[in-house]
Amino acid sequence: GIQVEQSPPDLILQEGANSTLRCNFSDSVNNLQWFHQNPWGQLINLFYIPSGTKQNGRLSATTVATERYSLLYISSSQTTDSGVYFCAAGAGQNFVFGPGTRLSVLP
Amino acid sequence: EPEVTQTPSHQVTQMGQEVILRCVPISNHLYFYWYRQILGQKVEFLVSFYNNEISEKSEIFDDQFSVERPDGSNFTLKIRSTKLEDSAMYFCARETGTGVPYEQYFGPGTRLTVT
Repeated sequence: GIQVEQSPPDLILQEGANSTLRCNFSDSVNNLQWFHQNPWGQLINLFYIPSGTKQNGRLSATTVATERYSLLYISSSQTTDSGVYFCAAGAGQNFVFGPGTRLSVLP
Repeated sequence: EPEVTQTPSHQVTQMGQEVILRCVPISNHLYFYWYRQILGQKVEFLVSFYNNEISEKSEIFDDQFSVERPDGSNFTLKIRSTKLEDSAMYFCARETGTGVPYEQYFGPGTRLTVT
């Protein structure tokens, strides 16, 4: 089955800094989503992005499906951005989640 | 506005007991999913459910688990005889239903603690 890797596993930033999170997947996929898991455990949709580039405020994402990776960019980070960021990918209906990147934004 | 609600938010049960976790979609979607997340680990797919039938399930979804949509609205996950290792957060998800295939929205989760 599909394997999903994420890097870095942990990231500590000062407020205002920019960051790039990476997701690699082992096989061709037709689904890819980025989620933010907040401190209360909720999974918040960030992007549905099986290919191409999308932007939403300070966040943007790019997926290069032919090269089997996706990137999540966070600009001008805020303390509320802290949490775990998951990439999930799939070739059918269900998702395989990566292990996540734990982001801590310090004031 | 929550897309999916789940009840209860937290359930504590003794090993060997049966538990039923509920998922209530806000609107009439056809595709539903259950995932689980053991504390500190990644989210794992359990089962997908379409048109009142299981369409796909993982190796985790063994005979101890079952799903149904008994009243055409609530979508339930039943664990027949809970084990300590069933302690996890259980998420229900549904497809967006806006014509974007496979985009999933997750409920807030039910934290199951087996003692």
